[in-house]
Amino acid sequence: EAGVTQFPSHSVIEKGQTVTLRCDPISGHDNLYWYRRVMGKEIKFLLHFVKESKQDESGMPNNRFLAERTGGTYSTLKVQPAELEDSGVYFCASSQDLREETQYFGPGTRLLVL
Amino acid sequence: DQQVKQNSPSLSVQEGRISILNCDYTNSMFDYFLWYKKYPAEGPTFLISISSIKDKNEDGRFTVFLNKSAKHLSLHIVPSQPGDSAVYFCAASAQSNYQLIWGAGTKLIIKP
Repeated sequence: EAGVTQFPSHSVIEKGQTVTLRCDPISGHDNLYWYRRVMGKEIKFLLHFVKESKQDESGMPNNRFLAERTGGTYSTLKVQPAELEDSGVYFCASSQDLREETQYFGPGTRLLVL
Repeated sequence: DQQVKQNSPSLSVQEGRISILNCDYTNSMFDYFLWYKKYPAEGPTFLISISSIKDKNEDGRFTVFLNKSAKHLSLHIVPSQPGDSAVYFCAASAQSNYQLIWGAGTKLIIKP
């Protein structure tokens, strides 16, 4: 069974540009989560989808971030316009139920904003 | 304000010895705690968890201890093996909200 996949693995953009990150969850997983880790710091929750609905988006930093999950399958996280402080590793995770230990993480997208 | 703290950014341990990773939390509403392991260029993977109704949970070489009064938990790995070299994250959640709150991680290096 394929795991959670994320694309791209790395992205280097200039301040003010737009970047779109993609996450493909494990097939059949209704729950999809986005997290971010800024260099050397804690991993922070961004938001949680149940199917195509945003269950909890309390961690989204500001309105420059837009997450979608049309059709309840893959998800995209768009940053527009990107700022220097958006640099970090963006992880996606998916799970079949709400138990925390059942979240399977993707390898992350490393975003660098110059 | 950081609710889950891992005060040691790194830890170096001799192979075969015990590794002890520590984690402190501030929110008394947390009732479930987890440890994750992360290798470079990979996402975190679940390692072991403990509910607040317990003070110890063991799984093979890994044991997690919870001290609720001190708001402290620790992960013991014994004996430590080279493949244990990774970044270890402590995370916590409250039953009313399944959102995971993470520490900053501790990089464990197992020396041969």
